[in-house]
Amino acid sequence: GAGVSQSPSNKVTEKGKDVELRCDPISGHTALYWYRQSLGQGLEFLIYFQGNSAPDKSGLPSDRFSAERTGGSVSTLTIQRTQQEDSAVYLCASSLGGPHEQFFGPGTRLTVL
Amino acid sequence: AQSVAQPEDQVNVAEGNPLTVKCTYSVSGNPYLFWYVQYPNRGLQFLLKYITGDNLVKGSYGFEAEFNKSQTSFHLKKPSALVSDSALYFCAVRDPGGTGRRALTFGSGTRLQVQP
Repeated sequence: GAGVSQSPSNKVTEKGKDVELRCDPISGHTALYWYRQSLGQGLEFLIYFQGNSAPDKSGLPSDRFSAERTGGSVSTLTIQRTQQEDSAVYLCASSLGGPHEQFFGPGTRLTVL
Repeated sequence: AQSVAQPEDQVNVAEGNPLTVKCTYSVSGNPYLFWYVQYPNRGLQFLLKYITGDNLVKGSYGFEAEFNKSQTSFHLKKPSALVSDSALYFCAVRDPGGTGRRALTFGSGTRLQVQP
């Protein structure tokens, strides 16, 4: 079946512009996660959605970052007024929740000039 | 807070030899532990997990890992390495407790290089 998909695969933007990154999780997965992978920084948790519960936003690095998940499916990560330090690969994952493993999308490579 | 340590940035092994990639963790309760692999320009792929039960878990591509509670370790192993195993490996932990973060906390990654 279809895995997690993300779009765009690459995004180049200018400092100060807003960007939107999209994630389509695996159908039926109730949990959705956003991570950031920076060169030399490993994988960093950003935000977590589980069903209809309030999202866990504890990993968002600043108030320029926000995310929503509509209808319990597609999610959009928005970065406002992008900065050069926002350059990274943004990974989305979904799972059935609980102890189940997360399935990752291919990522969106964001470059802020 | 939960954390994961992968003490080796890189592991080099000859093809056909056994390999071990080390991982230690810290959580307040009983952990959920995972190994993922990342090939160049690709997302993370799940290899195996420990939730409960048998301390030795087997996963994809002939990999296995042993959960050791007393040493808080979850080392990844394979009896005979292949050149195609060369990739970046991540250990991750999740605290299933009520106040723990539901998302995974990842180690810094270990690059495995298998020489022909």
